[in-house]
Amino acid sequence: GNSVTQMEGPVTLSEEAFLTINCTYTATGYPSLFWYVQYPGEGLQLLLKATKADDKGSNKGFEATYRKETTSFHLEKGSVQVSDSAVYFCALSAVAGGTSYGKLTFGQGTILTVHP
Amino acid sequence: GAVVSQHPSRVICKSGTSVKIECRSLDFQATTMFWYRQFPKQSLMLMATSNEGSKATYEQGVEKDKFLINHASLTLSTLTVTSAHPEDSSFYICSASHTGYEQYFGPGTRLTVT
Repeated sequence: GNSVTQMEGPVTLSEEAFLTINCTYTATGYPSLFWYVQYPGEGLQLLLKATKADDKGSNKGFEATYRKETTSFHLEKGSVQVSDSAVYFCALSAVAGGTSYGKLTFGQGTILTVHP
Repeated sequence: GAVVSQHPSRVICKSGTSVKIECRSLDFQATTMFWYRQFPKQSLMLMATSNEGSKATYEQGVEKDKFLINHASLTLSTLTVTSAHPEDSSFYICSASHTGYEQYFGPGTRLTVT
């Protein structure tokens, strides 16, 4: 079945540091890939997405590239801010035609804390 | 666009009572809605998938008689936790989709059963 593995957290950084959160996946075909962010006590917000190999999703300074050859979708940001402190989830959506189409498979989440 | 709301945001109920949580897509028609449960510091666990006008499809291990899901229209789905017990206390999150692969999430409902 489909699965998503994220680097274990928590991750603690100083403001303006470089961020990488690793995400690898296992799936058949070409799933769509997502990064979601969850702030304390809130639901999930879509941060960025990529729907095919070599696509780069980007938003709010965050980037992730869909790497089919390494089955990865690592999240990066060049300079983090205190306001980026949150939980980040990598997820994939199964391809059309299967019984799991439309269902999201989530990684375990990575807690990011950014200090001033 | 693609806003999903949930009501209530927080609810406290007594053991043995039932609680209904609403999920609405505010600016789009959601052909499919999903219900998740999230335990503290953990990932989301998919409970069920519902398509408008049909019965929900529950994930393995989720009691369909305890977690009643109704998807009466293209903008509204409800989750009713029947005969709630303290172990049902959790954060419940819904999502809605109109594309078939991208989901938009509600802000979540914190249920506490005393």
